[in-house]
Amino acid sequence: AQKVTQAQTEISVVEKEDVTLDCVYETRDTTYYLFWYKQPPSGELVFLIRRNSFDEQNEISGRYSWNFQKSTSSFNFTITASQVVDSAVYFCALRNTNAGKSTFGDGTTLTVKP
Amino acid sequence: KAGVTQTPRYLIKTRGQQVTLSCSPISGHRSVSWYQQTPGQGLQFLFEYFSETQRNKGNFPGRFSGRQFSNSRSEMNVSTLELGDSALYLCASSLDVGVRNEQFFGPGTRLTVL
Repeated sequence: AQKVTQAQTEISVVEKEDVTLDCVYETRDTTYYLFWYKQPPSGELVFLIRRNSFDEQNEISGRYSWNFQKSTSSFNFTITASQVVDSAVYFCALRNTNAGKSTFGDGTTLTVKP
Repeated sequence: KAGVTQTPRYLIKTRGQQVTLSCSPISGHRSVSWYQQTPGQGLQFLFEYFSETQRNKGNFPGRFSGRQFSNSRSEMNVSTLELGDSALYLCASSLDVGVRNEQFFGPGTRLTVL
């Protein structure tokens, strides 16, 4: 069985602070993909990043960066210099060869205060 | 390119009724997946369709069903509604099956059962 755990239910930061969202996953598959999505109040899930199980290279995209460590089954997400517009619920997800089925974590609600 | 559209956006029904939700994937996308999002259970996979065939099904009772048409549009139906069916129902489309295919989510249909 697959499982994704986002231990942080809610995080509140002040604008310009850095914030890291944690994600730990469990799977028996050797081939899988990990995703981060953002869900603003409008409800639509917005894709942020995809990483496959063979690519542990970390990535930086603007203010966003991701740290994938297969040894600890973690795929953490960092926002640098947070902004109020970053306030949303962030979901980590795992997908294996059953491509249409993604297993989501419970989400982390990020509030960035001005 | 238009995104994933879902209709209706909001729906209010009473217990015992049935409901049909519609999803139009991005043009050219052939795979459609459905998810239920509730505060208590989070995001849970309902089913996945590809080329008018159900490929995967989540752990939901038989009251939940779906189908996909030849133009890749999909509908899901919930019969004999229960209070616990109140949720945001999200549809996601992807170009093809295969774990590397990115899923694009629609804005969702918020169903309230009274």
